[in-house]
Amino acid sequence: NAGVMQNPRHLVRRRGQEARLRCSPMKGHSHVYWYRQLPEEGLKFMVYLQKENIIDESGMPKERFSAEFPKEGPSILRIQQVVRGDSAAYFCASSSTATNEQFFGPGTRLTVL
Amino acid sequence: EDQVTQSPEALRLQEGESSSLNCSYTVSGLRGLFWYRQDPGKGPEFLFTLYSAGEEKEKERLKATLTKKESFLHITAPKPEDSATYLCASGSGNTGKLIFGQGTTLQVKP
Repeated sequence: NAGVMQNPRHLVRRRGQEARLRCSPMKGHSHVYWYRQLPEEGLKFMVYLQKENIIDESGMPKERFSAEFPKEGPSILRIQQVVRGDSAAYFCASSSTATNEQFFGPGTRLTVL
Repeated sequence: EDQVTQSPEALRLQEGESSSLNCSYTVSGLRGLFWYRQDPGKGPEFLFTLYSAGEEKEKERLKATLTKKESFLHITAPKPEDSATYLCASGSGNTGKLIFGQGTTLQVKP
């Protein structure tokens, strides 16, 4: 049973470009979460989605960041007009219900030049 | 404000030297206390979930316990392969949001 998959594993963007991060949850999981880990900081919640719905986006920056989890295909975290401060590791997690344990993917390491 | 605090930040042990990691939480409506292990460059790996005070769970050399204000991760006779960062997180409210502590980085020397 494949775990949570994320791609790309590493992404380099120049300031002002767009970054698209993809996440495929574990088989049978319909709850997806995105977290960000800045250098020397802990994991911070960004957004919680179910299929076609954003349930909680309280951790998302108000501008430039968006997320979706369409009926078909992976969840996408999109960062427009990236800045150097966006450089971080972005982790996706999935669970079978909202209260069960979350299983994490390997992360996407974004570097903004 | 919901908060999770872990101590110590870093811990060095000799192989076989048992110890405990602490996780203090102030969360309204705790919906589970989760422990994860994270190796450098990888995603967190799930270890345990605890839901109520007095609950305990074990896995190999690790044992997690929970009180109304704290959780402990006890490591018995650790080995070098137990070296990693251990993360504690609380589930809060009625969404799936997890609040993470800063982690404890454990180094076990042979």
